[in-house]
Amino acid sequence: AQKVTQAQTEISVVEKEDVTLDCVYETRDTTYYLFWYKQPPSGELVFLIRRNSFDEQNEISGRYSWNFQKSTSSFNFTITASQVVDSAVYFCALWMDSSYKLIFGSGTRLLVRP
Amino acid sequence: SAVISQKPSRDICQRGTSLTIQCQVDSQVTMMFWYRQQPGQSLTLIATANQGSEATYESGFVIDKFPISRPNLTFSTLTVSNMSPEDSSIYLCSVVERSGNTEAFFGQGTRLTVV
Repeated sequence: AQKVTQAQTEISVVEKEDVTLDCVYETRDTTYYLFWYKQPPSGELVFLIRRNSFDEQNEISGRYSWNFQKSTSSFNFTITASQVVDSAVYFCALWMDSSYKLIFGSGTRLLVRP
Repeated sequence: SAVISQKPSRDICQRGTSLTIQCQVDSQVTMMFWYRQQPGQSLTLIATANQGSEATYESGFVIDKFPISRPNLTFSTLTVSNMSPEDSSIYLCSVVERSGNTEAFFGQGTRLTVV
């Protein structure tokens, strides 16, 4: 089976809290790519990060960081010191070379309250 | 990185009519995709738009309802036919580039409301 699971439907935090969004994926492919996108209320998809299956290095970009663990098939996303502008729906997605498809998780709605 | 222009950005349509959404890319791309995002839901792949041949549809989507054209490597259209209120969604065009790393780009989306 090939799928992406985002078990957290909605998360609500107070500004300046740290928050982690979980993403678990399933694939038999050895070559695949994982993505995170942000979708603000306006509806467009904003690319955040891409990680290929051979690169397990974690990454930090400002307040954002990503933890990729192949052993647990997870690609979690942490926002440090959250801000109101971080409020959006966040999607994790999986690209598989075997099927040439990008499949999405169900998304996590993040609400950051002032 | 590819830049995608999708039109219209939004529309309100009467049931029973059809709407054609256009997707223009600023470079030639092999793989182009159409997604639907129903209210409060995730993105679901409708079809892969193949240049010079018929689109490849996912389960639950049919050509009569969602005809797709791909006349060249930079342009595609998706038509939503005989619309009903259940077709109210955001429709997104996407391209994937696989030179070196794989990158996925999205248009701004078309927010469709059927009344």
